[in-house]
Amino acid sequence: AQSVTQPDIHITVSEGASLELRCNYSYGATPYLFWYVQSPGQGLQLLLKYFSGDTLVQGIKGFEAEFKRSQSSFNLRKPSVHWSDAAEYFCAVGPNTDKLIFGTGTRLQVFP
Amino acid sequence: GAGVSQSPSNKVTEKGKDVELRCDPISGHTALYWYRQSLGQGLEFLIYFQGNSAPDKSGLPSDRFSAERTGGSVSTLTIQRTQQEDSAVYLCASSLAGSLGEKLFFGSGTQLSVL
Repeated sequence: AQSVTQPDIHITVSEGASLELRCNYSYGATPYLFWYVQSPGQGLQLLLKYFSGDTLVQGIKGFEAEFKRSQSSFNLRKPSVHWSDAAEYFCAVGPNTDKLIFGTGTRLQVFP
Repeated sequence: GAGVSQSPSNKVTEKGKDVELRCDPISGHTALYWYRQSLGQGLEFLIYFQGNSAPDKSGLPSDRFSAERTGGSVSTLTIQRTQQEDSAVYLCASSLAGSLGEKLFFGSGTQLSVL
């Protein structure tokens, strides 16, 4: 069965520091992987997605993620975090956009 | 409107009452999804509508939950005889055609509290 694990419930970083949010998945075939962000008072917004090809994908707001099949991971990274990045981040896996399986989310807090 | 609109934004109800949650997708989007976000949980898929096809109801947690989509646009999620465990944020999303890799556009959700 498909599943997504985000092992970090809450992460705190200083503004300007680098960031890595972990995501591990379980899926029988080649997965389609997504990262969504939910800012306070706003709906979820797609950051980036991976289907095939280059395993390092670039997204909006300076985020990137790397697909590592050997580790069943799709970690989200950003070299320098901004205070506006404080939000909840969800990793998701699926064969398609219907019935996406989401992780439990990682709440990011950014200190000035 | 420009985005997915959900109403009400907040709903407080008593245990045992029925509630209706509404979703207005982006105009022209044929695919519509309902998800539930409970405290400390991920987003749980509930139901998926695509055009005139029969909806995928495989995520509905019980027969107290139902949803319909009228005219291929507005959708209503109904929860009958609400229970306290139904308390959650109910999110609606739409996409242009529900095809592979399409971006989902989410509404801001309805926060349901069952007392």
